[in-house]
Amino acid sequence: AQSVTQLDSQVPVFEEAPVELRCNYSSSVSVYLFWYVQYPNQGLQLLLKYLSGSTLVKGINGFEAEFNKSQTSFHLRKPSVHISDTAEYFCAVSPPGDNFNKFYFGSGTKLNVKP
Amino acid sequence: DADVTQTPRNRITKTGKRIMLECSQTKGHDRMYWYRQDPGLGLRLIYYSFDVKDINKGEISDGYSVSRQAQAKFSLSLESAIPNQTALYFCATSGPGRTQYFGPGTRLTVL
Repeated sequence: AQSVTQLDSQVPVFEEAPVELRCNYSSSVSVYLFWYVQYPNQGLQLLLKYLSGSTLVKGINGFEAEFNKSQTSFHLRKPSVHISDTAEYFCAVSPPGDNFNKFYFGSGTKLNVKP
Repeated sequence: DADVTQTPRNRITKTGKRIMLECSQTKGHDRMYWYRQDPGLGLRLIYYSFDVKDINKGEISDGYSVSRQAQAKFSLSLESAIPNQTALYFCATSGPGRTQYFGPGTRLTVL
């Protein structure tokens, strides 16, 4: 099974500062990569995904992520955060060869944006 | 209207009770999933289904069962609920493009 590591369980940051949320995965083969966001009392929403092509992926709400195959990482970044970005963020991987499209999720990172 | 709905949204029950969580989707997807979310553990897969005739166990299926009544409906049952099944439960679907679409979640408390 795949393993996804989100090293930071909580990230506090001031409004308008840049932020990076880290995600590493364990796989010697290609995977599809995803970032989801969960706002308080809501389900998960897709932020962005990497299936193939450019390693820099842009998503909604100004977020972007870069796929680094050699470091097996898919870190999420935003140059300037807003209070409304306060949420929990989940990284997930899905093996391309899996016909069931199963996802393996990290443990999540809570982003707390302070005024 | 939401593409993936879950009922109930909140449920409090007692140890030993049978409980069913329901999920419906209007996205027309074949693949459906049940996850549980626990603080600090992320989401863990309980069961998944490719179609109405295909049910598969996920990584934490013990104590749970599912029923795929139709392409659009996928129910999760706890035959005899126990306190460590207190969690947030999510249903999801998946179609072309590999993206999974999540319902709003059911918060279950087992006393």
